[in-house]
Amino acid sequence: KNEVEQSPQNLTAQEGEFITINCSYSVGISALHWLQQHPGGGIVSLFMLSSGKKKHGRLIATINIQEKHSSLHITASHPRDSAVYICAVGNTDKLIFGTGTRLQVFP
Amino acid sequence: DSGVTQTPKHLITATGQRVTLRCSPRSGDLSVYWYQQSLDQGLQFLIQYYNGEERAKGNILERFSAQQFPDLHSELNLSSLELGDSALYFCASSVGGGFRQYFGPGTRLTVT
Repeated sequence: KNEVEQSPQNLTAQEGEFITINCSYSVGISALHWLQQHPGGGIVSLFMLSSGKKKHGRLIATINIQEKHSSLHITASHPRDSAVYICAVGNTDKLIFGTGTRLQVFP
Repeated sequence: DSGVTQTPKHLITATGQRVTLRCSPRSGDLSVYWYQQSLDQGLQFLIQYYNGEERAKGNILERFSAQQFPDLHSELNLSSLELGDSALYFCASSVGGGFRQYFGPGTRLTVT
């Protein structure tokens, strides 16, 4: 069993839909990261959180430390949100990555 | 633009060869991280440096080595290359351990 599990692996949505991507982990962590990887390969760090909830624009990330679970929500999805979303957890600075969720948003 | 630069963008080389990948962190960042992303293994942490010193080590092969120089740029050396070393190699930087990381555009290495 992987230490970081993401679901779903693939996700398609219509523009405007509310999207949720889930991440569960089995190791002790000090922080959880959500990353976005565009089709060209570039990686952008979206959030780094260790408790509660963070919001940036249409993106919301939550984490439940007791349940070892995090969710990334995208409100009012747009085709430009199409990318691979990767969850990564770290105890020290060694990040362990999930396999990613490929999101496609159609107009 | 994250402010992290990596060179070269693409590299094609033959098995058995040695290559050097270079990373310049964002201005002010002291930590540099190296990651490998391959099709079969996904993203994996290789190694972290902080202000010139090795701070953490992940799944880095003995054929690979890295260093961070006094000007804080870092190099990842890959030797005795094998077909399986073909991957995207990312560098990231942060102000220090435990802080948000900013990723470079990556170097795509193809070993033929």
